[in-house]
Amino acid sequence: KAGVTQTPRYLIKTRGQQVTLSCSPISGHRSVSWYQQTPGQGLQFLFEYFSETQRNKGNFPGRFSGRQFSNSRSEMNVSTLELGDSALYLCASSTTPGAQETQYFGPGTRLLVL
Amino acid sequence: DAKTTQPNSMESNEEEPVHLPCNHSTISGTDYIHWYRQLPSQGPEYVIHGLTSNVNNRMASLAIAEDRKSSTLILHRATLRDAAVYYCIRREMGADGLTFGKGTHLIIQP
Repeated sequence: KAGVTQTPRYLIKTRGQQVTLSCSPISGHRSVSWYQQTPGQGLQFLFEYFSETQRNKGNFPGRFSGRQFSNSRSEMNVSTLELGDSALYLCASSTTPGAQETQYFGPGTRLLVL
Repeated sequence: DAKTTQPNSMESNEEEPVHLPCNHSTISGTDYIHWYRQLPSQGPEYVIHGLTSNVNNRMASLAIAEDRKSSTLILHRATLRDAAVYYCIRREMGADGLTFGKGTHLIIQP
């Protein structure tokens, strides 16, 4: 079974631009979560989607948004990019949401904002 | 608030067992304990999880204290490929995703 895939793997943008990242979960997985990883803040939860609905959102500004499609694929969007948005963005999928569920992570998209 | 406490780093020798401790003194009865690890330049990888009793899988064992305020991840025979940052995560019911702390940087010496 193929793992979680994320596209693109690397991205360079300039301040003020917007970016869209894509995540395809493992086949059969309906829950998708997004995380941001930076050297200073570590791994931080962005949001979680299940059945096309956002269930939870982390402590990030409204510039960060996402959505999930009927095939469970998910996208996240960051508008008006700032230098501090440079990070590794990770997507994880699980069968369903829940404290006992295992999340499977993709390789991430590395975003550099200049 | 990561809700767990782990040593910043640990060092072990190849082919020896490794015991990675985690303190979660404010855990509630329905919280699960998950362990993930992150190898260099990769996304986190699930290792093991449990609720009350000890758990074993092909990667590791998880020993949970009787009062559930601490747990230990056991790698039975470490290899160089086990060098990674190990995260102990307390997952609450209805939790907002996984709350990662700083983890333990495990160094394996050949």
